[in-house]
Amino acid sequence: ETGVTQTPRHLVMGMTNKKSLKCEQHLGHNAMYWYKQSAKKPLELMFVYSLEERVENNSVPSRFSPECPNSSHLFLHLHTLQPEDSALYLCASRSWGTATDTQYFGPGTRLTVL
Amino acid sequence: TQLLEQSPQFLSIQEGENLTVYCNSSSVFSSLQWYRQEPGEGPVLLVTVVTGGEVKKLKRLTFQFGDARKDSSLHITAAQPGDTGLYLCAGGGSYNTDKLIFGTGTRLQVFP
Repeated sequence: ETGVTQTPRHLVMGMTNKKSLKCEQHLGHNAMYWYKQSAKKPLELMFVYSLEERVENNSVPSRFSPECPNSSHLFLHLHTLQPEDSALYLCASRSWGTATDTQYFGPGTRLTVL
Repeated sequence: TQLLEQSPQFLSIQEGENLTVYCNSSSVFSSLQWYRQEPGEGPVLLVTVVTGGEVKKLKRLTFQFGDARKDSSLHITAAQPGDTGLYLCAGGGSYNTDKLIFGTGTRLQVFP
């Protein structure tokens, strides 16, 4: 399989549940990103990992916890979410230090918090 | 704060019409990407432009990066229903920056 994959594609959870989103990239990239996309809002950057180290945390609430065990995998651990956290969560990757900063996106996980 | 404003926000046209989408900022970007996103999917890269004044063509789509690298446009000739989607522009800083600044998006609907 090529490109950037995300699982699950759809997730419905209650506010007291704990779940994890998974992202995997097969492009040989060394930087990975989590974005949140809500209706009628621009894409919001949440976390950036470069060479498996977190380089940015964009003031995201602690109920979102990222993990990057290696350059190909990225997780977003979720706990005690709120209904306003319902959104499309997108993962992206790129090659750090290349001439352009093009990012390649996965298909996203559609999250609904009840 | 860097911002990218896209216009129009929404566009509904008939198949065969031409259209232009604009992406404007007061900030200078080292590169500019255009993505298309279909409902329930992630954005798919269409093109990257890096040189001021650069024009790139992708079949019926023509992309231009402004001379000052602050703005860009996407022109579609003879639009087709398959062009329907959310078009996003995204500006990059230098090649060592960690993030893109995304535009507000243009939602295009092409009717048969």
